[in-house]
Amino acid sequence: DAEITQSPRHKITETGRQVTLACHQTWNHNNMFWYRQDLGHGLRLIHYSYGVQDTNKGEVSDGYSVSRSNTEDLPLTLESAASSQTSVYFCASSPGQGARNEQFFGPGTRLTVL
Amino acid sequence: QKEVEQNSGPLSVPEGAIASLNCTYSDRGSQSFFWYRQYSGKSPELIMSIYSNGDKEDGRFTAQLNKASQYVSLLIRDSQPSDSATYLCAVNTRQGGKLIFGQGTELSVKP
Repeated sequence: DAEITQSPRHKITETGRQVTLACHQTWNHNNMFWYRQDLGHGLRLIHYSYGVQDTNKGEVSDGYSVSRSNTEDLPLTLESAASSQTSVYFCASSPGQGARNEQFFGPGTRLTVL
Repeated sequence: QKEVEQNSGPLSVPEGAIASLNCTYSDRGSQSFFWYRQYSGKSPELIMSIYSNGDKEDGRFTAQLNKASQYVSLLIRDSQPSDSATYLCAVNTRQGGKLIFGQGTELSVKP
């Protein structure tokens, strides 16, 4: 069955370290998204991509980067982790143009920055 | 004004009752509307999509859309304790495939 997976599911790291969170989908969706979810803030969009080689900043992109080298993967990198980036991170995908933009979410990664 | 607004709750209803969840949005050009259910510690799960004015029913769930008044609602009939979760309203902006999420409404169904 097609699916969307994230790894690792839990990560503890130290301030200043580079961290990469993986997202992989097998639906052949064009669109992929990264969100963070914190108490009191709901889901906030970090970065998104509408296809290979396309990346765009969301509302909370500072300190994060993404790259899209193929359809299936959109890894999220924290260049120098900060305690403020402790959060739950969700990846999502949707079919793309011509579709109705239903997004499907991965299981999430809980990141703790000490 | 937030782009997508929901009452944060918690909304508490007795088992078997109808739960009514409401959402308003600010962008009149929005075309697609979604309800997600999120259990504690889990990821959001899409439960309803609606694109046209009126009602859309799927089992115990009914989504209602009124574009003129800029609101969308979700009714859950015969509420069960297993429906206890946070319900997120999401609206498609005119800017491609992005969704704007509300803060979510926490629903508690009491046995």
